Amino acid sequence: DAGVIQSPRHEVTEMGQEVTLRCKPISGHDYLFWYRQTMMRGLELLIYFNNNVPIDDSGMPEDRFSAKMPNASFSTLKIQPSEPRDSAVYFCASSSSSGRRNEQFFGPGTRLTVL
Amino acid sequence: GESVGLHLPTLSVQEGDNSIINCAYSNSASDYFIWYKQESGKGPQFIIDIRSNMDKRQGQRVTVLLNKTVKHLSLQIAATQPGDSAVYFCAEILNFGNEKLTFGTGTRLTIIP
Repeated sequence: DAGVIQSPRHEVTEMGQEVTLRCKPISGHDYLFWYRQTMMRGLELLIYFNNNVPIDDSGMPEDRFSAKMPNASFSTLKIQPSEPRDSAVYFCASSSSSGRRNEQFFGPGTRLTVL
Repeated sequence: GESVGLHLPTLSVQEGDNSIINCAYSNSASDYFIWYKQESGKGPQFIIDIRSNMDKRQGQRVTVLLNKTVKHLSLQIAATQPGDSAVYFCAEILNFGNEKLTFGTGTRLTIIP
């Protein structure tokens, strides 16, 4: 099992540019989560999906952030326009409602640096 | 300007000794708690969970204790090994049917060989 796959692993961009982070959840998982981790705020949930439908996006910082899940095997988190304060490690995680409840499997993360 | 980050509590333990990591959770109505381990450069990894109707749960070399009276959670790791060096997070869920995890700030555990 490949686990949760995220790309890119590292992204360096300039302020104002659009950034797209990608995630492939574990096959068969019906929940997908996007988290952000910073030294200032720790690990925060941004949004999560169930069966490709967004359930809770209350953690999304502002309108510059958007997330989509067009199918069960792919999700994107987009930041447009990016700002230096968006610099963080972004994690995608997935879980299964038929597995151990609330056991979320995390990907390796994408380290985003906005200059 | 200089940024102020979270001050991670740190714990250093001699290899082979037992360690106890503590966590104070915020919501007295939380129903479910999980401990995660995060190694450097990796995503968090599930260790063990406990529901609010329990006060103790044991796994392989790990034990979680829950004290709802003082909203305190602890993770005990027995016979620590170098691979236990990581940041440990407790996380809480308000309702067992809810998938939304709220993570604590974490504790950095260092195992001294």
